[in-house]
Amino acid sequence: GAGVSQSPRYKVAKRGQDVALRCDPISGHVSLFWYQQALGQGPEFLTYFQNEAQLDKSGLPSDRFFAERPEGSVSTLKIQRTQQEDSAVYLCASSNLVGEQYFGPGTRLTVT
Amino acid sequence: GNSVTQMEGPVTLSEEAFLTINCTYTATGYPSLFWYVQYPGEGLQLLLKATKADDKGSNKGFEATYRKETTSFHLEKGSVQVSDSAVYFCALSDDSTSYGKLTFGQGTILTVHP
Repeated sequence: GAGVSQSPRYKVAKRGQDVALRCDPISGHVSLFWYQQALGQGPEFLTYFQNEAQLDKSGLPSDRFFAERPEGSVSTLKIQRTQQEDSAVYLCASSNLVGEQYFGPGTRLTVT
Repeated sequence: GNSVTQMEGPVTLSEEAFLTINCTYTATGYPSLFWYVQYPGEGLQLLLKATKADDKGSNKGFEATYRKETTSFHLEKGSVQVSDSAVYFCALSDDSTSYGKLTFGQGTILTVHP
């Protein structure tokens, strides 16, 4: 079946612009995670959803970052007033309630 | 808090050489441990895992043993192939939550030459 998909794959934004990154998880997966991966580093946890409920947002670096999953399926990560330090690959992963996390290909965000 | 430390890379080997990538961790409780692999242009894929002390995870010729006494989960393969060239990430799953958010190491780039 289809895996996790993310769009866009690449995004270039000027500093100060707002961006929205989309994640389509594997159908039926209850859990959805967002991670941020800076160049040359491992992914770092941002936030977690169980269905439509955002149960953990402890990794969001500032109040400019906002995530939602209104119908318990597709999720959007929004970054307001982007800064250069936001440049990274944003990874989405989904899983059953207890199980392996399946990762999407990521969205590479470059803020100029 | 939880943390994962991997050996510095990059690692360059000839085909059929023995591979070891070291990984140590710091965690409270009893985390599960993972190795993920990222091939060029692709997303992260789970390579193997171990959920309790002394468990050995294995897949595609790779192995790692969960050593609680040394807080380690070193990745090994007896004979690497060119197709194993990728970035390898060690990770642990936080057992203080039910949903298992992951903490990753910084990754180790492996290049295998023919």
